[in-house]
Amino acid sequence: DAEITQSPRHKITETGRQVTLACHQTWNHNNMFWYRQDLGHGLRLIHYSYGVQDTNKGEVSDGYSVSRSNTEDLPLTLESAASSQTSVYFCASRSGGGGELFFGEGSRLTVL
Amino acid sequence: GEDVEQSLFLSVREGDSSVINCTYTDSSSTYLYWYKQEPGAGLQLLTYIFSNMDMKQDQRLTVLLNKKDKHLSLRIADTQTGDSAIYFCAESRQAGTALIFGKGTTLSVSS
Repeated sequence: DAEITQSPRHKITETGRQVTLACHQTWNHNNMFWYRQDLGHGLRLIHYSYGVQDTNKGEVSDGYSVSRSNTEDLPLTLESAASSQTSVYFCASRSGGGGELFFGEGSRLTVL
Repeated sequence: GEDVEQSLFLSVREGDSSVINCTYTDSSSTYLYWYKQEPGAGLQLLTYIFSNMDMKQDQRLTVLLNKKDKHLSLRIADTQTGDSAIYFCAESRQAGTALIFGKGTTLSVSS
């Protein structure tokens, strides 16, 4: 079955370190998204991509970057981790024609 | 603003009906969704409705859409303890684009 996987599921890092969260989907979806989930804020969009070499900023993109070198992967990089980036991060994908947005299981990141 | 608004908590007894309400801001939104999140898990799609529909029923779930008031509701009939979760309302302005989520409603079902 097609799926979307995130790694690592849990990570603890220190302030100032670079961190990359991986997202891999086998749906062959063009559209991929990164959200963060925080208590009191729900899900907020960080970055998204509508295809290879396409990336766009979302609502809370400062301090994050993404790259899209192939259809299957959209890694999220925190250039210099800050305590405010402690959160649960969700990757998601959907086809360009609409329909369901499929989510990964989430990556819990703690920045000390 | 571009917020999707939901009440934060709802508590019901097992067997009762639950109604979770949501208001959205963009009258041009074409798709409206309800997602469920169980503890420690990702979000799972429960149901969605196109903006040209008023109502959609799927087993115990009924979605009502009032486009004039930009109001969406999810009714869960015969609520079970397994329905305890966070429920998110979301809107999508165009096919395939990012979903804008509300903050989520925590549903607590007591036996």
